[in-house]
Amino acid sequence: ETGVTQTPRHLVMGMTNKKSLKCEQHLGHNAMYWYKQSAKKPLELMFVYSLEERVENNSVPSRFSPECPNSSHLFLHLHTLQPEDSALYLCASSQDRNLRDGYTFGSGTRLTVV
Amino acid sequence: AQSVTQPDIHITVSEGASLELRCNYSYGATPYLFWYVQSPGQGLQLLLKYFSGDTLVQGIKGFEAEFKRSQSSFNLRKPSVHWSDAAEYFCAVATAIDYKLSFGAGTTVTVRA
Repeated sequence: ETGVTQTPRHLVMGMTNKKSLKCEQHLGHNAMYWYKQSAKKPLELMFVYSLEERVENNSVPSRFSPECPNSSHLFLHLHTLQPEDSALYLCASSQDRNLRDGYTFGSGTRLTVV
Repeated sequence: AQSVTQPDIHITVSEGASLELRCNYSYGATPYLFWYVQSPGQGLQLLLKYFSGDTLVQGIKGFEAEFKRSQSSFNLRKPSVHWSDAAEYFCAVATAIDYKLSFGAGTTVTVRA
């Protein structure tokens, strides 16, 4: 148990579906992140939330829509995805975007777009 | 912007042998440096980190890493590998300016009996 829980662990969706990924942390952190991990590529930072406010959006397509209703929860809403969006989506959290303790990662959601 | 290079995509090592994973970074000032490990189907776990001070850093699971400013490197080492060390290892760098972690592409370690 890492302290950061992601659900579902696996998701298969069609290109016309709408689904959401959920991330929950009970570490008292106030910064949360979405990363995309594709095969043979470095992890890509998608979004950063600090104190429930989005502070970074790394040119992510609008078919990915994040939501941070409170400091413990982070969602990634998905719609009209493409096959190339298939990847492992990792959520992470940290305290005050302070890297002294690094990030705590969840186990990820393995997304397959068909 | 900072960047991280892990030159070795895949390393195979015998159980009990030593392991060294290479990491080179590109950044003008002293960065914050990290090593993470990812077991199959899992998220990333922090092994160790370097911010300042002693350039030899001890981490969990018997790993250590050495920061060499002159070589812009932060190589990870373990004296004796166990079968459970088979995983993917990621080097990451961040700066005091933007506090964003940038990851290398990772090195997959296979341990043979």
